[in-house]
Amino acid sequence: AQTVTQSQPEMSVQEAETVTLSCTYDTSENNYYLFWYKQPPSRQMILVIRQEAYKQQNATENRFSVNFQKAAKSFSLKISDSQLGDTAMYFCAFTPGAQKLVFGQGTRLTINP
Amino acid sequence: ETGVTQSPTHLIKTRGQQVTLRCSSQSGHNTVSWYQQALGQGPQFIFQYYREEENGRGNFPPRFSGLQFPNYSSELNVNALELDDSALYLCASSTTAGGPNEQFFGPGTRLTVL
Repeated sequence: AQTVTQSQPEMSVQEAETVTLSCTYDTSENNYYLFWYKQPPSRQMILVIRQEAYKQQNATENRFSVNFQKAAKSFSLKISDSQLGDTAMYFCAFTPGAQKLVFGQGTRLTINP
Repeated sequence: ETGVTQSPTHLIKTRGQQVTLRCSSQSGHNTVSWYQQALGQGPQFIFQYYREEENGRGNFPPRFSGLQFPNYSSELNVNALELDDSALYLCASSTTAGGPNEQFFGPGTRLTVL
């Protein structure tokens, strides 16, 4: 089965703190791509960061970075210096070969002032 | 560059009715994917269209059908609506099917079935 599990339904941190969102996935594919998407309240889903499974180096996009552990099938997202605008639902997803994105259940992240 | 747009924004239907949702892909994109997002859940893949042909389907019954037009816009049709079809329907476009290419999402259509 191709599944994504996000074990933290909700998280809350203070502005400027660092927060890590967890994600594990299950697939028998060897080549795939992993993503973190952000869905702000009543706004469109946007891509935060992506990782190619065959690359060992962890992806980084400004304040966002991932910790990709292929053997453990783990793909966590770290947000440094969190900002109020980071408040959103965060979805971990991957493409098992082609076509579809398989999403997790999401983590609702709240950044408090 | 125009992003992905969807219409209508909201829709209310009753059980047994039929509905058509529309999506305009981002300029230069030839692939459109549709997802169903129930309240409090992650999106679930319905199907994908690539150059006007269905290019993969998720675990949805045949009453969910779609089309893609020569300009790469797309429709999602749902027949014989059920209460469980109430959800946010997301359309996403990309330059090619699958792989690392980012899927750009529209704002969604909120469907309520009474």
